[in-house]
Amino acid sequence: QVQLVQSGAEVKKPGASVKVSCKASGYTFTNYYIHWVRQAPGQGLECIGMSNPSSGDTMYTQNFQGRVTLTRDTSTSTAYMELRSLRSDDTAVYFCARGQGFGYNYYFDYWGQGTTVAVSS
Amino acid sequence: EIVMTQSPATLSVSPGERVTLSCRATQTIYSNLAWYQQRPGQAPRLLMFSASTRASGIPARFSGSGSGTEFTLTISGLQSEDFAIYYCQHYNNWPYTFGQGTKLEIK
Repeated sequence: QVQLVQSGAEVKKPGASVKVSCKASGYTFTNYYIHWVRQAPGQGLECIGMSNPSSGDTMYTQNFQGRVTLTRDTSTSTAYMELRSLRSDDTAVYFCARGQGFGYNYYFDYWGQGTTVAVSS
Repeated sequence: EIVMTQSPATLSVSPGERVTLSCRATQTIYSNLAWYQQRPGQAPRLLMFSASTRASGIPARFSGSGSGTEFTLTISGLQSEDFAIYYCQHYNNWPYTFGQGTKLEIK
């Protein structure tokens, strides 16, 4: 069965970086985009970016451009999201999700369990 | 960027009732719309894609409709496990955006 398993919770200080992993299983990792979404406490869902595990190509939303990098390791079927220059308002749950669809039209059919990132001095 | 607006923000309903949730886009997204359900402490779960296609394992009491800019999610015969937050999301072009959510709560 398809599973996306994320790394554990992180506590970081302002200005630091965090790298969250998302290990895929149950399907061919390079056949589906991986998307990253975050949810601040009590808030809605916000797209961060997406990566093509086959080519390594990425797209980011404007809010995160320049501060986030999406990478992948095809040998372990793992996607990564690194967010730099952390601020207190980056405190959120970060989800990875598998993109299903074609072209640039992808909905998210499977989600990771979420990784809580807390930013506090 | 396309803005997705959901209404109402909160809906108080009783089990067994039928409810309709609305989602509106600021420009046409054709049928490139998904609905997700999120229970407390859980990841979102895909309910519908292409506006009206139920995802695998989703009960028939969930139905979606609409195209262009106006969309609805209808839940017939609400069950206890349906009380959650529902989000619509467009995936017509980048960046994808979500609505702010509709919370279904027990009356």
